[in-house]
Amino acid sequence: DVKVTQSSRYLVKRTGEKVFLECVQDMDHENMFWYRQDPGLGLRLIYFSYDVKMKEKGDIPEGYSVSREKKERFSLILESASTNQTSMYLCASSILGQPSQYGYTFGSGTRLTVV
Amino acid sequence: DQQVKQNSPSLSVQEGRISILNCDYTNSMFDYFLWYKKYPAEGPTFLISISSIKDKNEDGRFTVFLNKSAKHLSLHIVPSQPGDSAVYFCAASAPMDSNYQLIWGAGTKLIIKP
Repeated sequence: DVKVTQSSRYLVKRTGEKVFLECVQDMDHENMFWYRQDPGLGLRLIYFSYDVKMKEKGDIPEGYSVSREKKERFSLILESASTNQTSMYLCASSILGQPSQYGYTFGSGTRLTVV
Repeated sequence: DQQVKQNSPSLSVQEGRISILNCDYTNSMFDYFLWYKKYPAEGPTFLISISSIKDKNEDGRFTVFLNKSAKHLSLHIVPSQPGDSAVYFCAASAPMDSNYQLIWGAGTKLIIKP
């Protein structure tokens, strides 16, 4: 059973802390994505990567960075957590250039609360 | 500028009846449209998709209709079941060089009443 695994389901962090969210996929997918989901705002793309060490900014990259040192792992970093980064964070992966009808495979999400 | 819009934040339907979720888009270059279902505290899961060259795709209780002239698609669930209560996201595939990216609507929360 193919999987995208996010390391934590729930996290509580303090304002100003550096936060690491980890995502691992076992499908040998080239594309990996980080989204945040907030009520009424849908899924907003933070960063994506289509290859090792490659990264592209999404719609809301401010306050975030990413790292992709290995094909299967894509990390999201909150450099200095703030309360407005309290959200559900979703990692996804897909095959590079795959026919679009198959879409993305998502992880279970990390609910991050910054206090 | 929202390229994919789901104008109904929520929808309530009686169990056994038909649920119709709507989605509008603006970009005629989208080549596929997808519907995802999301339960609370879980990631979205792929439900059904349709190519832009088709007008209907059916999978069991789920049917997606595409009206290209109106730039509108809809998801029909018949009959609706309690387990269908979830948030439904419409997404459109935008070709990008040799890759693609999904553009998402804001979601519609479907509530199935017993």
